[in-house]
Amino acid sequence: NAGVMQNPRHLVRRRGQEARLRCSPMKGHSHVYWYRQLPEEGLKFMVYLQKENIIDESGMPKERFSAEFPKEGPSILRIQQVVRGDSAAYFCASSPTTQGYGYTFGSGTRLTVV
Amino acid sequence: GENVEQHPSTLSVQEGDSAVIKCTYSDSASNYFPWYKQELGKGPQLIIDIRSNVGEKKDQRIAVTLNKTAKHFSLHITETQPEDSAVYFCAAMGGGANSKLTFGKGITLSVRP
Repeated sequence: NAGVMQNPRHLVRRRGQEARLRCSPMKGHSHVYWYRQLPEEGLKFMVYLQKENIIDESGMPKERFSAEFPKEGPSILRIQQVVRGDSAAYFCASSPTTQGYGYTFGSGTRLTVV
Repeated sequence: GENVEQHPSTLSVQEGDSAVIKCTYSDSASNYFPWYKQELGKGPQLIIDIRSNVGEKKDQRIAVTLNKTAKHFSLHITETQPEDSAVYFCAAMGGGANSKLTFGKGITLSVRP
């Protein structure tokens, strides 16, 4: 029973390029959450998705960032025209319930913008 | 919105001693309080959680207490071991359909052998 799978584990992008981060939730989980962690900081909520729907994107920057969770396949967090300030660890979590109890996090994608 | 504060930011204890980590939250509607352990280079791992209808929960060497009136909750680790060394995060979740977690900044626990 695989946990939450994120890939790639490490991603290096030059300024101005696009970054695509993928997250496959645990089997049976239809709720996906993305969080960003800056060095020595806690995790900051970005977006909450269910299949084919964005439920809450209040933590996501209005420009350059987008997220989707299609009917088939993983959830994707997309960052266009990356800047150095986007360098961080991005974690995905999934939950089996609307209430969000028992979040399970993936191992994260560490994005470095050079 | 919710604000979660975590104190202290670092804690060092001798192996075998107890460690207590405290968090406060601001939104009285919050009703779910998980604790996560994060080791270097890994994702946060849920270690224990508590809902607002319960005052205390225990799982082997780990316990969590919740004081809704004062809006604070604490993690207690007894008989600490070197492998307990990690960063610990508290979090709070609001009520209703809001299922996003607000995290504290984390505390680095060091257990000295």
